[in-house]
Amino acid sequence: DQQVKQNSPSLSVQEGRISILNCDYTNSMFDYFLWYKKYPAEGPTFLISISSIKDKNEDGRFTVFLNKSAKHLSLHIVPSQPGDSAVYFCAANGGSQGNLIFGKGTKLSVKP
Amino acid sequence: GAGVSQTPSNKVTEKGKYVELRCDPISGHTALYWYRQSLGQGPEFLIYFQGTGAADDSGLPNDRFFAVRPEGSVSTLKIQRTERGDSAVYLCASSLNPSGAGYNEQFFGPGTRLTVL
Repeated sequence: DQQVKQNSPSLSVQEGRISILNCDYTNSMFDYFLWYKKYPAEGPTFLISISSIKDKNEDGRFTVFLNKSAKHLSLHIVPSQPGDSAVYFCAANGGSQGNLIFGKGTKLSVKP
Repeated sequence: GAGVSQTPSNKVTEKGKYVELRCDPISGHTALYWYRQSLGQGPEFLIYFQGTGAADDSGLPNDRFFAVRPEGSVSTLKIQRTERGDSAVYLCASSLNPSGAGYNEQFFGPGTRLTVL
């Protein structure tokens, strides 16, 4: 029973356009959400996070939006660049000891 | 420096054998996590250390899996009597978070790809 869901396994976007990656969760007790980016043969690297008391956090080309009533968050990348091509994982900090609960990931391909 | 390192990067073993996977966290990080990532899945939590003690081992799938962190730095994940279903990438992460709760940016190593034949 997945607590964090990324329903799109893949997304293809043209360079320069906006990429929108979506994530849904079931547990309203989650207090932080994080996005990680993963290249092949590397570990996930932290991208951006948002506290459950906020609805938006922006860092350069990356913005995360949180809709608590819908239990939904999204990561916007604009403009998208070919180097953004990677697998993106949504994660929630829900364990009492801080372990992260991950979605299955969305593979983003940005075409030049 | 710096980052989290894991050895070996790849491990191929036969069913029934014993394996050890090593994780070197970022210096000064008191919290250490092990995750397992199977094909097509996100990382799944296995065990969490705060210092030398295992604060939460609720993610370990069964008693064939065990992990230690004797000096509060390097950790070893041990798998006995390996099975084909244990094949996955084993990821280690560390963080500065002293309590584990709340905001917790974790820094991941590159993982060990375990293949059980």
